[in-house]
Amino acid sequence: GGIITQTPKFLIGQEGQKLTLKCQQNFNHDTMYWYRQDSGKGLRLIYYSITENDLQKGDLSEGYDASREKKSSFSLTVTSAQKNEMAVFLCASSINRGGETLYFGSGTRLTVL
Amino acid sequence: GQQVQQSPASLVLQEGENAELQCNFSTSLNSMQWFYQRPEGSLVSLFYNPSGTKQSGRLTSTTVIKERRSSLHISSSQITDSGTYLCAMERSSGSWQLIFGSGTQLTVMP
Repeated sequence: GGIITQTPKFLIGQEGQKLTLKCQQNFNHDTMYWYRQDSGKGLRLIYYSITENDLQKGDLSEGYDASREKKSSFSLTVTSAQKNEMAVFLCASSINRGGETLYFGSGTRLTVL
Repeated sequence: GQQVQQSPASLVLQEGENAELQCNFSTSLNSMQWFYQRPEGSLVSLFYNPSGTKQSGRLTSTTVIKERRSSLHISSSQITDSGTYLCAMERSSGSWQLIFGSGTQLTVMP
């Protein structure tokens, strides 16, 4: 089996700060995703990537950048953290398209002071 | 508006009781997946079930595309079943984008 590792597990930032979240997978999956989950809500797609160096915007891409420099890694940057923002960012991967089974990491919990 | 709706939003059971979780979706969506989110946050795929019925242990998923609904049945609930159950659909056939419901938070009491 494989694993998806997200770092850091907890991230505390200041308003206006640029913050980077990292994700590594060893499934050798082609497609990787970043989702945001707010308290009591479902997941919303920020960015996804279907192969190395590919980037596709999801519904929630404004305010974020992403990078897929290697097949195994996908990073997400919050370009300017918003005050009092709290959310969990979840990374996932799948063999190819979203209709296939997704495998998730354990998340990065962001708090902005 | 929201394209995937889950009910109930929360559910409390006594250990051993059964649970029925519902997911309703719009016609423009395709396929169906059910996920379990552990209390600490990680998600596990339970079923990829575009249509029909699938069973895994005490869990049964039934998707009826014509009626735009899917259900997840948990039989003989256990304390370790506690957590959040999320359903998700493809936005369109072959799409990379999943649309998630808001989840059902299940608490199983001893």
